[in-house]
Amino acid sequence: QEQLVESGGGLVKPGGSLILSCAASGFTFSDHYMGWIRQAPGKGLEWVSYISKSSLYTNYADSVKGRFTISRDNTENSLFLQMNSLRVEDTAVYFCAREATTNWFDLWGQGTLVTVSS
Amino acid sequence: EIVLTQSPATLSLSPGERATLSCRASQSIRRYLAWFQQRPGQAPRLLIYETSNRATGIPARFSGSGSGTDFTLTISSLEPEDFAVYYCQQRKDWPLTFGGGTKLEIK
Repeated sequence: QEQLVESGGGLVKPGGSLILSCAASGFTFSDHYMGWIRQAPGKGLEWVSYISKSSLYTNYADSVKGRFTISRDNTENSLFLQMNSLRVEDTAVYFCAREATTNWFDLWGQGTLVTVSS
Repeated sequence: EIVLTQSPATLSLSPGERATLSCRASQSIRRYLAWFQQRPGQAPRLLIYETSNRATGIPARFSGSGSGTDFTLTISSLEPEDFAVYYCQQRKDWPLTFGGGTKLEIK
């Protein structure tokens, strides 16, 4: 069935780096725009980043611009989020999500927890 | 940035009752609004997109309405599995933004 599985989360010190991955299966990954959305503990949802099917277009929330980089490998059906200069306020569960042909996020992974703490 | 304000923050109802959740945008977003349901420990699930279209597999008891700045998600008769947190999201402008959520709890 259609599935997204995130990995790569963990504990990192402020100023550190981490790479998140999202493995897609059960659908044609290259046909879809993809995004990352995060949720701080006990808080609401915050959109983080977005990438087009061919990687030509990317977009970022102001809170992560210049520190995070989204990328994808259509040959490996994978989405990535390179996170640098991490801050305590980046602590959250990070979800990858597929944008449907309707232009809404219709498939979400279960998320991976990133904890930034000294 | 378009701010989405959801009300109430918490809604206490009983199974079988009708639930009405509100989402107000800080400026017109036409009909570019979606609703998501999130159960504890789970990922969000798309319920409604483009204000009033049910996503695949979503029961008919869920409906959406509105336009411009005021939107409503209605659950006609609550089932036990409907008690969760609900978020609205707009895609009219970047950045994409979500509302703060409405927690629907069992009374």
